[in-house]
Amino acid sequence: DIQMTQSPSTLSASIGDRVTITCRASQTIYSWLAWYQQKPGKAPKLLIYKASILESGVPSRFSGSGSGTEFTLTISSLQPDDFATYYCQEYNVYSERTFGPGTKVDIK
Amino acid sequence: QVQLVQSGPEVKKPGASVTVSCQASGYTFTRHGISWMRQAPGQRPVWMAWISAKNGNTKYGEKFQGRITLTRDTSTNIVYMELRSLRSDDSAVYFCARGSDGGNDYFDSWGQGTLVSVSP
Repeated sequence: DIQMTQSPSTLSASIGDRVTITCRASQTIYSWLAWYQQKPGKAPKLLIYKASILESGVPSRFSGSGSGTEFTLTISSLQPDDFATYYCQEYNVYSERTFGPGTKVDIK
Repeated sequence: QVQLVQSGPEVKKPGASVTVSCQASGYTFTRHGISWMRQAPGQRPVWMAWISAKNGNTKYGEKFQGRITLTRDTSTNIVYMELRSLRSDDSAVYFCARGSDGGNDYFDSWGQGTLVSVSP
């Protein structure tokens, strides 16, 4: 099974800050990685797929990068609507679609 | 617009079964698979199973194999998830989600979630 980790687990930031979240896979997943945003009581929302492709309608302040086993999600200028928990999810061939443990972004 | 609407909350006793439905609209139902995830409070989502809306093929997660069944009704665009032999640690919010293209890669639309509580 592929194991996914994220760091940090919690991140305190201010409006306008540049925020970076890291996701690591226990084996190569090439670029088969998605990022989601989840707010309390809501379903996850797809932000990025194939490591760096922005889902339609997602603001351009979100970006993704990486390949192999290490990936990053960057928010270039944090907005009030961005306080949430962020999850990465791998979709390597034959895998069982594992999510990372999440990174909570809260107000500093 | 794409919508997935799930059935309402359920309260079950240990050993019982639960069926949660997910009705899709706003797209051609048979062009996308549907996956089910569950999420316990404060935990990450866990992928459980997938069904092809086109031909009914299924894939079940190893942890749920033998306890879960997915079916779909193409006349009503509904996918059903049945989980049997419920235990207290099955208490969670259950989500259906549309798979990218026809597969089970990433999930571009999600249902609102259904709370399943298992308690004696």
